[in-house]
Amino acid sequence: NAGVTQTPKFRVLKTGQSMTLLCAQDMNHEYMYWYRQDPGMGLRLIHYSVGEGTTAKGEVPDGYNVSRLKKQNFLLGLESAAPSQTSVYFCASSPRTQGSYEQYFGPGTRLTVT
Amino acid sequence: EDQVTQSPEALRLQEGESSSLNCSYTVSGLRGLFWYRQDPGKGPEFLFTLYSAGEEKEKERLKATLTKKESFLHITAPKPEDSATYLCAVQANDMRFGAGTRLTVKP
Repeated sequence: NAGVTQTPKFRVLKTGQSMTLLCAQDMNHEYMYWYRQDPGMGLRLIHYSVGEGTTAKGEVPDGYNVSRLKKQNFLLGLESAAPSQTSVYFCASSPRTQGSYEQYFGPGTRLTVT
Repeated sequence: EDQVTQSPEALRLQEGESSSLNCSYTVSGLRGLFWYRQDPGKGPEFLFTLYSAGEEKEKERLKATLTKKESFLHITAPKPEDSATYLCAVQANDMRFGAGTRLTVKP
């Protein structure tokens, strides 16, 4: 099992450019999440999905969109990148069965917006 | 609002010097408290889940405990390979993470 994978690993964007981050999991988990991690601030939830075809906003959703067309994939889009979106982005998945809330994380994508 | 605070921000230990990391929280309707380990340049790795006050979990040199207001991660006789950032998170309506404690263990 590969677990949770993310592509790309690194990306540099110019202000105003758009991009999509891809997350894939092979654990058949229902729940998937996108977080950003900034120094001293901990992980903050951007968007999440409780199942195929459903998405919901997290703590910091502005400037991002998501889609979950297939159960195993969760895409994070930046329509018009801003320097404030420079961060490390992590995808996670969770079984959420029988009260299991633990999350399993991917290796992250380091995004720089200039 | 749900809050998670970890202390200290950074901790330097000599190999074999036991210590504890603290995670204090305020949350309505706690469904679980989680500890993760994060190595530089990698994603967080799940360690433990604690569900109720008084519960304890152990894994090698790590032991996690939970009270109604805080959790401790005790590290017994640490080794250099235990160096990492340790994250605490609480699950209520959603998962809230603390900023982490960066642990360095010197040989």
